[in-house]
Amino acid sequence: QSALTQPPSASGSPGQSVTISCTGTSSDVGGYNYVSWYQQHPGKAPKLMIYEVSKRPSGVPDRFSGSKSGNTASLTVSGLQAEDEADYYCSSYAGSYSLVFGGGTKLTVL
Amino acid sequence: EVQLVQSGAEVKKTGESLKISCKGSGYSFSTYWIGWVRQMPGKGLEWMGIIYPGDSDTRYSPSFQGQVTISADKSISTAFLQWSSLKASDTAMYYCARPTLVQGAILRLDYWGQGTLVTVSS
Repeated sequence: QSALTQPPSASGSPGQSVTISCTGTSSDVGGYNYVSWYQQHPGKAPKLMIYEVSKRPSGVPDRFSGSKSGNTASLTVSGLQAEDEADYYCSSYAGSYSLVFGGGTKLTVL
Repeated sequence: EVQLVQSGAEVKKTGESLKISCKGSGYSFSTYWIGWVRQMPGKGLEWMGIIYPGDSDTRYSPSFQGQVTISADKSISTAFLQWSSLKASDTAMYYCARPTLVQGAILRLDYWGQGTLVTVSS
């Protein structure tokens, strides 16, 4: 399984919105509604932000939202805040008890 | 409160063996799958495999099949990741994570351990 494709970087000013894409294939992103997004601050473990394309775990601000169209999923962060600066990884179920991750996107809050 | 607590950092030499651990608490350990994720220095996340502690059913990512061994001891609520002969390329942070599955499909990784840094040098 090849990694999902994410842009290496994204940026926005405080209060703005930014969208990060995650492109896979019909065998992963396009084949299942099991796309998740994880936030990772430096030196920390990843944290689940979005699951099943667009659902938010308890405690995750509603500024974070997810969507999917075909083989591409997207994470949108609205009303950017300084603490949103982190690496973001998408993942998708890829069949047979396996997951595939994206290469990660470094989000910078300008 | 669900917690996954991993063993401490390791510094090893090439060719040595290693077993790192992930202890679960706050839930019924034997009835939830546990997965392992690798993160090489400055790189992204990679799925290694998953184990069901209740019956030790284990599934490996093709990239890691034969390279590592995933095991679990439900009597002590602990999952393990081990190497028989380390390589420099095994240098990485390793995370355990508890996934939610439905009929074999991994929906998400809800809980993560703090990570174990493995450094392998010659």
